[in-house]
Amino acid sequence: ETGVTQSPTHLIKTRGQQVTLRCSSQSGHNTVSWYQQALGQGPQFIFQYYREEENGRGNFPPRFSGLQFPNYSSELNVNALELDDSALYLCASSLIVATGQGNEQFFGPGTRLTVL
Amino acid sequence: AQSVTQLGSHVSVSEGALVLLRCNYSSSVPPYLFWYVQYPNQGLQLLLKYTTGATLVKGINGFEAEFKKSETSFHLTKPSAHMSDAAEYFCAVSSMDSNYQLIWGAGTKLIIKP
Repeated sequence: ETGVTQSPTHLIKTRGQQVTLRCSSQSGHNTVSWYQQALGQGPQFIFQYYREEENGRGNFPPRFSGLQFPNYSSELNVNALELDDSALYLCASSLIVATGQGNEQFFGPGTRLTVL
Repeated sequence: AQSVTQLGSHVSVSEGALVLLRCNYSSSVPPYLFWYVQYPNQGLQLLLKYTTGATLVKGINGFEAEFKKSETSFHLTKPSAHMSDAAEYFCAVSSMDSNYQLIWGAGTKLIIKP
């Protein structure tokens, strides 16, 4: 069973640039969630994709966008980067078979984004 | 709205001593509760979770947690700390209130003294 993988592991960008982060979900999972974790803080929910559709969004501006592909892998795109976007970006996959379940999320190692 | 409070951003215990990490939540509907661990420069790993049924939940690495509805708590314990337990621990809650998205605490860094 292949776990959740993310690429790249580290990335340095400058203000105003755009970035794409990638995530491959665990085999058999149909849902991907993205989180932003600033240094010394807990993860903040960005959005979730289920069967290629956005299935919930946190308090993040529209310049944070995403995609989920037919193989359930996912991308997180951030436009017009700001200094405060510097963080660890975590991807988590899960299997939703019915609503109302405490579905366990499996996390990737994260992508460390630094915006200068 | 749901929220999670973890008391103490840092907890220091001696090797072999009891570990107690505190988590309180707010939820107007029955919650699902989780503890995750994060080692330096790594992602998050599930330690244990409460969904329904038995309120004392056992997880990996000798950790356990007890769901106490009357106290809205889900504290994490381990009888005897090991050096390898040094990490950051996050409590999270989900429910119908949050559309089953995870709401996270700020984390507690566990320091183990030799």
